[in-house]
Amino acid sequence: GNSVTQMEGPVTLSEEAFLTINCTYTATGYPSLFWYVQYPGEGLQLLLKATKADDKGSNKGFEATYRKETTSFHLEKGSVQVSDSAVYFCALSDEMNRDDKIIFGKGTRLHILP
Amino acid sequence: DGGITQSPKYLFRKEGQNVTLSCEQNLNHDAMYWYRQDPGQGLRLIYYSQIVNDFQKGDIAEGYSVSREKKESFPLTVTSAQKNPTAFYLCASGDRWEETQYFGPGTRLLVL
Repeated sequence: GNSVTQMEGPVTLSEEAFLTINCTYTATGYPSLFWYVQYPGEGLQLLLKATKADDKGSNKGFEATYRKETTSFHLEKGSVQVSDSAVYFCALSDEMNRDDKIIFGKGTRLHILP
Repeated sequence: DGGITQSPKYLFRKEGQNVTLSCEQNLNHDAMYWYRQDPGQGLRLIYYSQIVNDFQKGDIAEGYSVSREKKESFPLTVTSAQKNPTAFYLCASGDRWEETQYFGPGTRLLVL
């Protein structure tokens, strides 16, 4: 079945450090891939997405590239800010999946120290 | 403003009591979802609905019930059969073609 595996947190970095959060997936078809972000006490927000191999999603300085050969969609940011502290979820939606469900990873908590 | 609203923000349940969480969307989405989130955990799907008057069980449906009488509304009832209901509940809606889900702000349910 479809699944998403992302690195366990928490991840703690200093402000302006480089960020990578790893995400790998298993899917039967050709999934679309997503990163969602959840700020404290709030719901999830879509951060970025990519719908086919080699696509790069980007938003707010974050980037992730859809790598079919390694089944990965790692999230990166060149210089993190304190305001980036949140929980980040990798997710996939498989076009072969007829019930429109999105499969979420378990989330990675990110702490940015000033 | 288009979006999803959930109410209340906090809800307290007594032993043996059923409580209902509200979820409303004005995004004209056909699909709606309920997730449960426990501290330090990911999202677990409770129920989902792809169209009015139809819904399916997710991964942890026991002790919960839903209805979908209107496109805009997808209320979740936490019944007394749910023995561990304390959690953060998230509602979402989605468009099949966009493949993206939009989330409400959540309801935190606590047991007295």
